[in-house]
Amino acid sequence: AQKITQTQPGMFVQEKEAVTLDCTYDTSDPSYGLFWYKQPSSGEMIFLIYQGSYDQQNATEGRYSLNFQKARKSANLVISASQLGDSAMYFCAMREFKAAGNKLTFGGGTRVLVKP
Amino acid sequence: GAGVSQTPSNKVTEKGKYVELRCDPISGHTALYWYRQSLGQGPEFLIYFQGTGAADDSGLPNDRFFAVRPEGSVSTLKIQRTERGDSAVYLCASSTDSSGANVLTFGAGSRLTVL
Repeated sequence: AQKITQTQPGMFVQEKEAVTLDCTYDTSDPSYGLFWYKQPSSGEMIFLIYQGSYDQQNATEGRYSLNFQKARKSANLVISASQLGDSAMYFCAMREFKAAGNKLTFGGGTRVLVKP
Repeated sequence: GAGVSQTPSNKVTEKGKYVELRCDPISGHTALYWYRQSLGQGPEFLIYFQGTGAADDSGLPNDRFFAVRPEGSVSTLKIQRTERGDSAVYLCASSTDSSGANVLTFGAGSRLTVL
């Protein structure tokens, strides 16, 4: 079974509008962390935001916020006031703290294109 | 260095050849990860090192793939008898350690093309 599922392969958003990128995950580990990365066309992965499974509040980082719904196992990324530079691939990832390896497992990504 | 450095940035080779990809992590980062990213897909875990030892190599697809980190800093991913299906971008990442909320910092990747 997929551990991280991103159901939106691609989406358009108008400049200055908000966009929500969906991410659902599957784990039986009670302790885990969720990460979002941005990958522009240059190819480098850029860390955006982190949410721990025991964090009481949704994470925010500038224009990025995470809509964390633990019971639904979803961790959607919200980008507010989209800018042209936000056009990129976005990946959701999970680290299971008790599982061997502590590796990050990535979803398939969502491509965002911001229209002027 | 200031970031994670990967060389070469591009490598074109012929089927059956041997390839080495190098990763120079951020100074002081003890954890180092290798991922493979095929076109249009998310990064796929290959192996990670904590210090000099491979703590998890469960993602290596077969015995043609091998990685080392002899002094706990620079790492080399080695691919023997390359196949066309090995064509991908190989990403290296490092972090202060491998636990919890520690963020992986990625390099720009090495694009491997096997003809």
